[in-house]
Amino acid sequence: DAGVIQSPRHEVTEMGQEVTLRCKPISGHNSLFWYRQTMMRGLELLIYFNNNVPIDDSGMPEDRFSAKMPNASFSTLKIQPSEPRDSAVYFCASSSANLRDSSSGEKLFFGSGTQLSVL
Amino acid sequence: SQKIEQNSEALNIQEGKTATLTCNYTNYSPAYLQWYRQDPGRGPVFLLLIRENEKEKRKERLKVTFDTTLKQSLFHITASQPADSATYLCALTALIFGKGTTLSVSS
Repeated sequence: DAGVIQSPRHEVTEMGQEVTLRCKPISGHNSLFWYRQTMMRGLELLIYFNNNVPIDDSGMPEDRFSAKMPNASFSTLKIQPSEPRDSAVYFCASSSANLRDSSSGEKLFFGSGTQLSVL
Repeated sequence: SQKIEQNSEALNIQEGKTATLTCNYTNYSPAYLQWYRQDPGRGPVFLLLIRENEKEKRKERLKVTFDTTLKQSLFHITASQPADSATYLCALTALIFGKGTTLSVSS
């Protein structure tokens, strides 16, 4: 398996533009997570899906952020309109865990991330 | 609110020594805790998971302890090598990550 695949690897855009980040999870994994990492705040969970259904989006910073998972092999995170403070590394991760069962404890597999710079 | 802290941002040790990293948490009773390694420009990579009913877990030169009374986990790397230099993150389930401790092992 190629692991979790994210695209693009780098994205540079201007304030106000729409940004779409893409993720392909590991085949057979039923949970998908989007994180944002900055020096100040570390790695923060934005949203996670279980069996393509959004379970918890309380980490999504504002309405400018949206995420979808139309099928088991693809997810997108969209920022519209983008702002300079959105600049960060965005990671996607997948797992065979079911977080509704807190004891399942499966490990996360992370993609290489998307480095987003909003000018 | 739930909070997780890794006690130092950076740790510098000499090759061959044991590195000990600390993770403390509050306002939470996790069923398990995980440790990840992150190299520059890469995503975190899973190392170890320890459950609330386990006191200690080992994997090669790595050892993790979990004290639910103290709300603390310790991560040890014995006989450290320069290749162990990286940032190490602890996580309460998959939901809350610490900011990480950057370990530098000098030869």
